Amino acid sequence: DAKTTQPPSMDCAEGRAANLPCNHSTISGNEYVYWYRQIHSQGPQYIIHGLKNNETNEMASLIITEDRKSSTLILPHATLRDTAVYYCIVRVRTGTASKLTFGTGTRLQVTL
Amino acid sequence: EAGVAQSPRYKIIEKRQSVAFWCNPISGHATLYWYQQILGQGPKLLIQFQNNGVVDDSQLPKDRFSAERLKGVDSTLKIQPAKLEDSAVYLCASSVVVETQYFGPGTRLLVL
Repeated sequence: DAKTTQPPSMDCAEGRAANLPCNHSTISGNEYVYWYRQIHSQGPQYIIHGLKNNETNEMASLIITEDRKSSTLILPHATLRDTAVYYCIVRVRTGTASKLTFGTGTRLQVTL
Repeated sequence: EAGVAQSPRYKIIEKRQSVAFWCNPISGHATLYWYQQILGQGPKLLIQFQNNGVVDDSQLPKDRFSAERLKGVDSTLKIQPAKLEDSAVYLCASSVVVETQYFGPGTRLLVL
């Protein structure tokens, strides 16, 4: 699985958009970008995933650059409950369940 | 639907003692994972089961860790004997599709 690079921490004001970047310059053509987050004292939670098109769901939007070497997770209106560690993971989607390789993620602090 | 259940939530033991953790996955989820999360790091996969068979245990310290998933449902993870460096959160996750793993709340282990 390709290696990812994320900033260790970010701050965001409540109600503003939180834009979390992820670099994955060695990504290969069959690798997807996944985002999970981990709120304090809880297990990680799936957010969204994508291959090359931008994706949106009820939680967030995922913007992947045309060369696929980086992506941005967007929380459109951050709330205090979005304070968490956000993990960007790149892996092959094989059609069978497989492990997630977590890095250290980005610690997002949402403030009043 | 009910989430992944884990017990106990907290455990304190002395080094060289043994300890066991229990996980009940979401009903119908064939794949079950055990991850170890050391403070400040992302979760690391220890073992993956598909039904009651082991798919990946390459990072399981087999001299002291063991896991089983009898009948392809519940699972237990055991450490015997425990070392100080085993202090961590042990997370159980389950999945039925490739993208989404559902994590339990974890068991926080402190080895003194």
